Amino acid sequence: NAGVTQTPKFQVLKTGQSMTLQCAQDMNHNSMYWYRQDPGMGLRLIYYSASEGTTDKGEVPNGYNVSRLNKREFSLRLESAAPSQTSVYFCASSEEGQGWEKLFFGSGTQLSVL
Amino acid sequence: AQRVTQPEKLLSVFKGAPVELKCNYSYSGSPELFWYVQYSRQRLQLLLRHISRESIKGFTADLNKGETSFHLKKPFAQEEDSAMYYCALSGGSGGYNKLIFGAGTRLAVHP
Repeated sequence: NAGVTQTPKFQVLKTGQSMTLQCAQDMNHNSMYWYRQDPGMGLRLIYYSASEGTTDKGEVPNGYNVSRLNKREFSLRLESAAPSQTSVYFCASSEEGQGWEKLFFGSGTQLSVL
Repeated sequence: AQRVTQPEKLLSVFKGAPVELKCNYSYSGSPELFWYVQYSRQRLQLLLRHISRESIKGFTADLNKGETSFHLKKPFAQEEDSAMYYCALSGGSGGYNKLIFGAGTRLAVHP
């Protein structure tokens, strides 16, 4: 029972490089999310996807793109990495149906942009 | 604007002491409030939500709409409670799929 799986766990990039963070969930959840976690700022929502084929901007979308490839997978792409994107990135999916949503998180990706 | 404030970055207590992790929120409607916890080397996970009025691992949290607070309390802290705690708010435009998190409070329980 893997839950939410993120890859890679660690990544170091140079300014201007691109990369894609992968996320997959095996819980048949409709909604998926990407958050970034920075010291003193908590978790901030980058993008979310309420269902397959739809994506919406969160609080801090600039510099990122996302793809909801299918119901299981939701990827986050940095086209031209900047030092300000150094952070820990969390993917999550949510269980629905009861008027509220419980988030299940991946283990995180620690990204450093030099 | 929706906002969640956790005023303490670090709360340090001794085992057996009472614990109160503060959370204040700003929201004009009827919010859903949650506490999430991240233990060392584990994933962030839901601890409790206000509407269920439950006690999880001895923790409780009461929503005080007058004071716009949702403080997390435990009468006797244990070493295994040491973790990062996040208060989160859901509601408003976009509905439940936009959880707003506070900055987090690290709880350290010493023997």
